[in-house]
Amino acid sequence: DQQVKQNSPSLSVQEGRISILNCDYTNSMFDYFLWYKKYPAEGPTFLISISSIKDKNEDGRFTVFLNKSAKHLSLHIVPSQPGDSAVYFCAASALKGNEKLTFGTGTRLTIIP
Amino acid sequence: KAGVTQTPRYLIKTRGQQVTLSCSPISGHRSVSWYQQTPGQGLQFLFEYFSETQRNKGNFPGRFSGRQFSNSRSEMNVSTLELGDSALYLCASSSGQGDYTQYFGPGTRLTVL
Repeated sequence: DQQVKQNSPSLSVQEGRISILNCDYTNSMFDYFLWYKKYPAEGPTFLISISSIKDKNEDGRFTVFLNKSAKHLSLHIVPSQPGDSAVYFCAASALKGNEKLTFGTGTRLTIIP
Repeated sequence: KAGVTQTPRYLIKTRGQQVTLSCSPISGHRSVSWYQQTPGQGLQFLFEYFSETQRNKGNFPGRFSGRQFSNSRSEMNVSTLELGDSALYLCASSSGQGDYTQYFGPGTRLTVL
């Protein structure tokens, strides 16, 4: 049972344009969401997070949107840069002392120069 | 602040052997979580330790165990290794209280022959 889903295995975007990565979840107990960027054979690097009490969080070029009613979140990267090429994972947790992260399957983002 | 460190980075073992992996969290972080990444199953939660106590556990067999020391460093042990245990093992740390963002180490690549 995949509780966190990233339905696009890959995405190609022109440099300078907006990259939009999507994530859906099924567990209504999830109330904290994170995005990580990962290169092969390395650990995930934290990008940005959002609590369920918010619907948007921004950090520089990265913005995460949360639609609780649709159980959907998205990561926007503007403008996209070649260094953004990596695999992006969304992750979710149900807080209240629970550190377990449930990860999506990842989306490979390729930025085309 | 130094990041999460994991040793060793690479390990080759044979079936039936046991292995111990080590993780040093970010200074001040009291929660350490372990994850397994494989091509087929993605990133899966193994367990989490906080203040030397296992606080959360994923769905892995008892051959996978861990512990945490008083300085928050953690070790993970896998006994009676199987071919399917070949994976990237990732350790993540967080404060464990209030801020639920987990920061990952570079991982230990375990190959079982």
